Amino acid sequence: RKEVEQDPGPFNVPEGATVAFNCTYSNSASQSFFWYRQDCRKEPKLLMSVYSSGNEDGRFTAQLNRASQYISLLIRDSKLSDSATYLCVWGTGTASKLTFGTGTRLQVTL
Amino acid sequence: NAGVTQTPKFQVLKTGQSMTLQCAQDMNHNSMYWYRQDPGMGLRLIYYSASEGTTDKGEVPNGYNVSRLNKREFSLRLESAAPSQTSVYFCASRPRTGDNSPLHFGNGTRLTVT
Repeated sequence: RKEVEQDPGPFNVPEGATVAFNCTYSNSASQSFFWYRQDCRKEPKLLMSVYSSGNEDGRFTAQLNRASQYISLLIRDSKLSDSATYLCVWGTGTASKLTFGTGTRLQVTL
Repeated sequence: NAGVTQTPKFQVLKTGQSMTLQCAQDMNHNSMYWYRQDPGMGLRLIYYSASEGTTDKGEVPNGYNVSRLNKREFSLRLESAAPSQTSVYFCASRPRTGDNSPLHFGNGTRLTVT
């Protein structure tokens, strides 16, 4: 099983829709989780950290389900500018490296 | 505040040539990383430096060497480039390892080896 698994998509949604992505991880010792956004031919940029109790930042909500070992990202009221690839990232508390999923591509259309 | 700066942005090499990718950060971060990104493969860690004076191998270190010149700078060297090293290379930094601090990325270097 891969350390991190993401549905590559693409998810094609109309503007204004709500869309959710999941990311499953295999290491139960994982402690740090993040969602990054990557635009075509650009560097990844931090979208949000994921906390155990779940957290929200505007239209974006991140959840962590330790029992089932996945994190999720919910985007409400999708905008055209949300079109990008979304990468989930995890790491253990003492590990030096962070592991990236291969990304889920989102395309928001008119 | 520049963040993480990588040079060059683009490079074309012939098989067997050598080059060094430069990375510098001005955020006083302790940890620095080199990743490569290939289509369908996601980001894969080449080498990292948890703190000044230390370097460790990541997932795909073969064919590369690194130098943590000082706290700010972390360079990646290809001694004898191969077409399989055609990729986009990202340098990243974070305040420290062992906590929940995220990575901050440079703009990337697009390398083509012919």
